[in-house]
Amino acid sequence: GAGVSQSPSNKVTEKGKDVELRCDPISGHTALYWYRQSLGQGLEFLIYFQGNSAPDKSGLPSDRFSAERTGGSVSTLTIQRTQQEDSAVYLCASSPRGAGGPRNEQFFGPGTRLTVL
Amino acid sequence: KQEVTQIPAALSVPEGENLVLNCSFTDSAIYNLQWFRQDPGKGLTSLLLIQSSQREQTSGRLNASLDKSSGRSTLYIAASQPGDSATYLCASTTDSWGKFQFGAGTQVVVTP
Repeated sequence: GAGVSQSPSNKVTEKGKDVELRCDPISGHTALYWYRQSLGQGLEFLIYFQGNSAPDKSGLPSDRFSAERTGGSVSTLTIQRTQQEDSAVYLCASSPRGAGGPRNEQFFGPGTRLTVL
Repeated sequence: KQEVTQIPAALSVPEGENLVLNCSFTDSAIYNLQWFRQDPGKGLTSLLLIQSSQREQTSGRLNASLDKSSGRSTLYIAASQPGDSATYLCASTTDSWGKFQFGAGTQVVVTP
Protein backbone atom coordinates (compact mmCIF):
# COMPACT_ATOMS: atom_id res chain seq x y z
CA GLY A 1 0.00 0.00 0.00
CA ALA A 2 0.95 3.66 -0.24
CA GLY A 3 3.33 5.02 2.34
CA VAL A 4 3.56 8.49 3.82
CA SER A 5 3.89 11.13 1.13
CA GLN A 6 5.10 14.70 1.44
CA SER A 7 5.04 17.64 -0.91
CA PRO A 8 6.88 19.47 -2.22
CA SER A 9 10.04 17.39 -2.12
CA ASN A 10 12.13 20.54 -2.38
CA LYS A 11 11.27 24.15 -1.63
CA VAL A 12 13.48 27.16 -2.10
CA THR A 13 12.16 30.42 -0.74
CA GLU A 14 13.35 33.89 0.09
CA LYS A 15 13.76 35.09 3.63
CA GLY A 16 10.54 36.58 4.94
CA LYS A 17 8.20 34.56 2.74
CA ASP A 18 5.64 32.07 4.07
CA VAL A 19 5.77 28.38 3.14
CA GLU A 20 3.37 25.46 3.47
CA LEU A 21 4.52 21.88 3.68
CA ARG A 22 2.09 19.03 3.18
CA CYS A 23 1.94 15.51 4.60
CA ASP A 24 -0.36 12.67 3.54
CA PRO A 25 -0.18 9.90 6.15
CA ILE A 26 -0.83 6.24 5.61
CA SER A 27 -4.57 5.67 5.30
CA GLY A 28 -6.12 4.79 8.65
CA HIS A 29 -3.22 6.05 10.75
CA THR A 30 -4.60 8.22 13.51
CA ALA A 31 -1.32 9.63 14.80
CA LEU A 32 0.82 12.04 12.82
CA TYR A 33 4.16 13.61 13.72
CA TRP A 34 6.33 16.35 12.30
CA TYR A 35 10.09 16.33 12.81
CA ARG A 36 12.89 18.52 11.54
CA GLN A 37 16.37 17.39 10.55
CA SER A 38 19.02 20.09 10.45
CA LEU A 39 22.75 19.87 9.93
CA GLY A 40 24.36 19.76 13.33
CA GLN A 41 21.01 19.38 15.14
CA GLY A 42 19.94 15.90 14.24
CA LEU A 43 16.26 15.00 14.20
CA GLU A 44 14.01 17.00 16.48
CA PHE A 45 10.34 16.62 17.26
CA LEU A 46 8.04 19.48 16.30
CA ILE A 47 4.40 18.51 16.84
CA TYR A 48 2.12 15.51 17.30
CA PHE A 49 -1.47 15.03 16.14
CA GLN A 50 -3.97 12.50 17.36
CA GLY A 51 -6.82 12.76 14.91
CA ASN A 52 -7.25 16.49 14.26
CA SER A 53 -6.04 17.53 17.71
CA ALA A 54 -2.47 18.48 18.59
CA PRO A 55 -1.90 17.45 22.21
CA ASP A 56 1.81 18.24 22.01
CA LYS A 57 3.17 21.27 20.19
CA SER A 58 6.16 21.60 22.46
CA GLY A 59 8.73 21.20 19.69
CA LEU A 60 7.58 24.11 17.55
CA PRO A 61 10.57 26.49 17.68
CA SER A 62 8.64 29.76 17.53
CA ASP A 63 5.21 31.23 16.93
CA ARG A 64 6.10 31.53 13.24
CA PHE A 65 5.48 27.78 13.05
CA SER A 66 1.98 26.32 13.01
CA ALA A 67 0.37 23.11 11.85
CA GLU A 68 -3.08 21.77 11.28
CA ARG A 69 -4.65 18.50 10.36
CA THR A 70 -8.02 18.08 8.71
CA GLY A 71 -10.30 15.07 8.40
CA GLY A 72 -7.90 13.05 10.49
CA SER A 73 -5.73 12.78 7.42
CA VAL A 74 -3.70 15.45 5.60
CA SER A 75 -1.55 17.79 7.66
CA THR A 76 0.00 21.12 6.71
CA LEU A 77 2.98 22.69 8.44
CA THR A 78 3.17 26.44 7.87
CA ILE A 79 6.21 28.60 8.48
CA GLN A 80 5.60 32.33 8.38
CA ARG A 81 8.26 34.94 7.68
CA THR A 82 10.89 32.29 7.02
CA GLN A 83 14.41 32.76 8.33
CA GLN A 84 17.64 31.18 7.12
CA GLU A 85 17.81 29.05 10.26
CA ASP A 86 14.56 27.40 9.16
CA SER A 87 16.47 25.65 6.38
CA ALA A 88 16.23 21.93 7.08
CA VAL A 89 14.54 18.74 5.99
CA TYR A 90 11.03 18.51 7.40
CA LEU A 91 9.90 14.94 7.95
CA CYS A 92 6.42 13.65 8.61
CA ALA A 93 5.57 10.29 10.17
CA SER A 94 2.35 8.45 10.90
CA SER A 95 1.45 5.65 13.27
CA PRO A 96 -1.55 3.30 13.46
CA ARG A 97 -2.21 3.75 17.16
CA GLY A 98 -4.71 0.93 17.64
CA ALA A 99 -5.60 0.50 13.99
CA GLY A 100 -3.32 -2.50 13.78
CA GLY A 101 0.36 -3.28 13.86
CA PRO A 102 2.84 -2.68 16.66
CA ARG A 103 1.92 0.19 18.91
CA ASN A 104 3.57 3.48 18.02
CA GLU A 105 5.68 2.16 15.14
CA GLN A 106 6.25 5.29 13.11
CA PHE A 107 6.49 5.29 9.33
CA PHE A 108 8.24 8.23 7.75
CA GLY A 109 7.76 10.10 4.53
CA PRO A 110 10.63 11.16 2.24
CA GLY A 111 10.72 14.67 3.66
CA THR A 112 10.63 18.20 2.27
CA ARG A 113 13.97 19.94 1.91
CA LEU A 114 13.46 23.63 2.68
CA THR A 115 16.10 26.15 1.71
CA VAL A 116 15.68 29.75 2.80
CA LEU A 117 17.88 32.16 0.88
CA LYS B 1 14.65 15.00 29.13
CA GLN B 2 15.57 11.75 27.44
CA GLU B 3 18.96 11.83 25.74
CA VAL B 4 19.92 9.25 23.14
CA THR B 5 23.52 8.62 22.17
CA GLN B 6 24.90 6.51 19.35
CA ILE B 7 28.51 5.41 19.28
CA PRO B 8 30.44 5.22 17.04
CA ALA B 9 29.41 8.05 14.75
CA ALA B 10 30.85 6.21 11.78
CA LEU B 11 31.84 2.64 11.03
CA SER B 12 33.44 0.92 8.05
CA VAL B 13 33.52 -2.86 7.68
CA PRO B 14 34.33 -5.31 4.90
CA GLU B 15 31.47 -7.18 3.31
CA GLY B 16 30.47 -10.31 5.22
CA GLU B 17 31.43 -9.02 8.63
CA ASN B 18 28.75 -8.67 11.33
CA LEU B 19 27.75 -5.13 12.30
CA VAL B 20 27.14 -4.07 15.88
CA LEU B 21 25.54 -0.67 16.41
CA ASN B 22 25.07 0.80 19.87
CA CYS B 23 22.41 3.09 21.27
CA SER B 24 22.24 4.35 24.84
CA PHE B 25 19.52 6.37 26.55
CA THR B 26 19.40 8.19 29.87
CA ASP B 27 15.82 7.52 30.99
CA SER B 28 15.14 3.81 31.46
CA ALA B 29 11.37 4.38 31.62
CA ILE B 30 11.05 4.08 27.88
CA TYR B 31 7.86 3.07 26.18
CA ASN B 32 9.30 2.04 22.83
CA LEU B 33 12.59 2.06 20.98
CA GLN B 34 12.75 2.01 17.20
CA TRP B 35 15.66 1.51 14.82
CA PHE B 36 15.70 3.19 11.41
CA ARG B 37 17.99 3.41 8.43
CA GLN B 38 18.38 6.55 6.37
CA ASP B 39 19.89 6.61 2.91
CA PRO B 40 21.41 9.87 1.63
CA GLY B 41 18.73 12.38 0.69
CA LYS B 42 15.94 10.04 1.74
CA GLY B 43 13.50 9.67 4.59
CA LEU B 44 13.70 7.11 7.37
CA THR B 45 12.94 3.43 6.86
CA SER B 46 11.71 1.55 9.91
CA LEU B 47 13.79 -1.53 10.72
CA LEU B 48 12.64 -2.79 14.10
CA LEU B 49 10.44 -1.61 16.95
CA ILE B 50 11.02 -2.93 20.46
CA GLN B 51 8.33 -2.35 23.05
CA SER B 52 9.34 -1.83 26.66
CA SER B 53 8.19 -5.31 27.67
CA GLN B 54 10.38 -6.98 25.05
CA ARG B 55 14.06 -7.90 25.23
CA GLU B 56 14.69 -8.30 21.52
CA GLN B 57 13.21 -8.27 18.04
CA THR B 58 14.42 -10.06 14.92
CA SER B 59 13.81 -9.53 11.25
CA GLY B 60 15.88 -11.45 8.73
CA ARG B 61 19.54 -10.56 9.25
CA LEU B 62 18.64 -7.90 11.81
CA ASN B 63 18.39 -8.39 15.54
CA ALA B 64 17.83 -5.64 18.07
CA SER B 65 18.14 -6.08 21.81
CA LEU B 66 16.91 -3.86 24.61
CA ASP B 67 18.28 -3.63 28.14
CA LYS B 68 16.35 -0.96 29.99
CA SER B 69 18.25 -1.36 33.25
CA SER B 70 21.52 -0.41 31.58
CA GLY B 71 19.92 2.05 29.18
CA ARG B 72 21.14 0.30 26.06
CA SER B 73 19.94 -1.11 22.79
CA THR B 74 22.10 -2.90 20.25
CA LEU B 75 21.36 -3.51 16.59
CA TYR B 76 23.11 -6.52 15.06
CA ILE B 77 23.29 -6.95 11.31
CA ALA B 78 24.60 -10.34 10.29
CA ALA B 79 26.77 -10.92 7.22
CA SER B 80 26.83 -7.31 6.10
CA GLN B 81 26.40 -6.39 2.44
CA PRO B 82 27.28 -3.21 0.52
CA GLY B 83 23.54 -2.48 0.38
CA ASP B 84 23.58 -2.11 4.16
CA SER B 85 25.59 1.09 3.77
CA ALA B 86 23.45 3.85 5.28
CA THR B 87 23.01 5.89 8.44
CA TYR B 88 21.33 3.99 11.26
CA LEU B 89 19.29 5.92 13.79
CA CYS B 90 17.75 4.84 17.04
CA ALA B 91 14.89 6.66 18.71
CA SER B 92 13.17 6.15 22.01
CA THR B 93 10.04 7.51 23.60
CA THR B 94 9.02 7.82 27.22
CA ASP B 95 5.51 8.83 26.19
CA SER B 96 2.74 6.42 25.28
CA TRP B 97 1.88 8.48 22.23
CA GLY B 98 5.34 8.23 20.74
CA LYS B 99 7.24 11.51 20.80
CA PHE B 100 10.68 10.26 19.79
CA GLN B 101 14.08 11.45 20.90
CA PHE B 102 16.61 10.52 18.23
CA GLY B 103 20.26 9.69 18.43
CA ALA B 104 22.63 11.39 16.01
CA GLY B 105 23.08 8.16 14.06
CA THR B 106 25.88 5.83 13.04
CA GLN B 107 27.04 6.13 9.44
CA VAL B 108 27.91 2.67 8.14
CA VAL B 109 29.97 1.84 5.07
CA VAL B 110 30.27 -1.78 3.96
CA THR B 111 33.10 -2.22 1.49
CA PRO B 112 32.96 -4.95 -1.17
